[in-house]
Amino acid sequence: DIQMTQSPSSLSASVGDRVTITCQASQDISNYLNWYQQKPGKAPKLLIYDASNLETGVPSRFSGSGSGTDFTFTISSLQPEDIATYYCQQYGNLLTFGGGTKVEIK
Amino acid sequence: QVQLVESGGGLVKPGGSLRLSCAASGFTFSDYYMSWIRQAPGKGLEWVSYISSSGSTIYYADSVKGRFTISRDNAKNSLYLQMNSLRAEDTAVYYCARPIATTGIFPFDHWGQGTLVTVSS
Repeated sequence: DIQMTQSPSSLSASVGDRVTITCQASQDISNYLNWYQQKPGKAPKLLIYDASNLETGVPSRFSGSGSGTDFTFTISSLQPEDIATYYCQQYGNLLTFGGGTKVEIK
Repeated sequence: QVQLVESGGGLVKPGGSLRLSCAASGFTFSDYYMSWIRQAPGKGLEWVSYISSSGSTIYYADSVKGRFTISRDNAKNSLYLQMNSLRAEDTAVYYCARPIATTGIFPFDHWGQGTLVTVSS
């Protein structure tokens, strides 16, 4: 099974800050990596697919990069509505989610 | 528009059974793989199972293999999850989800609202 190590588990940042979340796969998954946003009481929402492709309708302040085993998710300028938990998800072999990163406003 | 509506959750005793349903609308259900994903209270997301568009290909997470059965009825635009031998650790919100394209299994661009399953005596 492929394990996904996501860090940090939580972070606090100010509005306008650049926020970065990393995800490391236990083996090479090429670019089979997606990023989701989940707000309390809601279903997850797809933001980035195949490591770096922005889902339709998602603001351009969200971006993703990486391939192989190391991936990065970035919010270029944190907004109040970005408060949520973010998950990476690999599908190089079946499907595994990272542990999540809870993003809060400082 | 695409809609996925889960139902069938509730309180069940350890060792008991429950059948979840997911009613799909707004797209050609029979063209898409479908999946179940769950989330224990206050915890992260865990993929449970997926089924191909025809139902001929099925995979399960090791944590549910042998206890859960995924199925679909394309004529009724419905996805199911039969859950047997339930354990406390199966307590979670269960989501059905559809992938972004008919040619793939992942990623998921549409999710239902979820249905809560509580396993407790």
